[in-house]
Amino acid sequence: GAGVSQSPSNKVTEKGKDVELRCDPISGHTALYWYRQSLGQGLEFLIYFQGNSAPDKSGLPSDRFSAERTGGSVSTLTIQRTQQEDSAVYLCASSLDGIYEQYFGPGTRLTVT
Amino acid sequence: QKEVEQNSGPLSVPEGAIASLNCTYSDRVSQSFFWYRQYSGKSPELIMSIYSNGDKEDGRFTAQLNKASQYVSLLIRDSQPSDSATYLCAVNPGDTDKLIFGTGTRLQVFP
Repeated sequence: GAGVSQSPSNKVTEKGKDVELRCDPISGHTALYWYRQSLGQGLEFLIYFQGNSAPDKSGLPSDRFSAERTGGSVSTLTIQRTQQEDSAVYLCASSLDGIYEQYFGPGTRLTVT
Repeated sequence: QKEVEQNSGPLSVPEGAIASLNCTYSDRVSQSFFWYRQYSGKSPELIMSIYSNGDKEDGRFTAQLNKASQYVSLLIRDSQPSDSATYLCAVNPGDTDKLIFGTGTRLQVFP
């Protein structure tokens, strides 16, 4: 079956602009996660959803970051007033339920100029 | 601060040898443990999960878990050049469904 998909694959934006990143999880997976990976760094947790609610959003770096999930499926991560330090690969993962293995999408590479 | 520690490497092994990758974690109540492989420029790919003490084998891969020592390892038998990648250890701390990742060990398998 289809894996996790993300769009766009690459995004270049100017500092101060808003961006939206999209994630479409594996069909039937109830849990969805957002991570980011900066160049040469490990994966940093941002937020996760169980259904449409977000029990843990402790990793969001600032109030410029927000995310939503609708219909228990697609999720959007929004970054407002982007800064250069937001440049990273944003990865989405989904799992059948929160306790099971997480499968990653291909990521969105965000570059803020 | 819950942590997952890995040696950054690179770990260099000859083709056909056993590669041994190690990971320690700080949270004693952690319940679920995962190994991901990440090729340069690609996203992480799940290769093993382990939930109970002991060994779990899948093809050329064996995951080993010792909760008392807070230690999880991955053995790759008959290493191939195509195994050259960064291997990420990930731990679910148990109080939330997120994963905490180590910074990864870079493995190089030379012919």
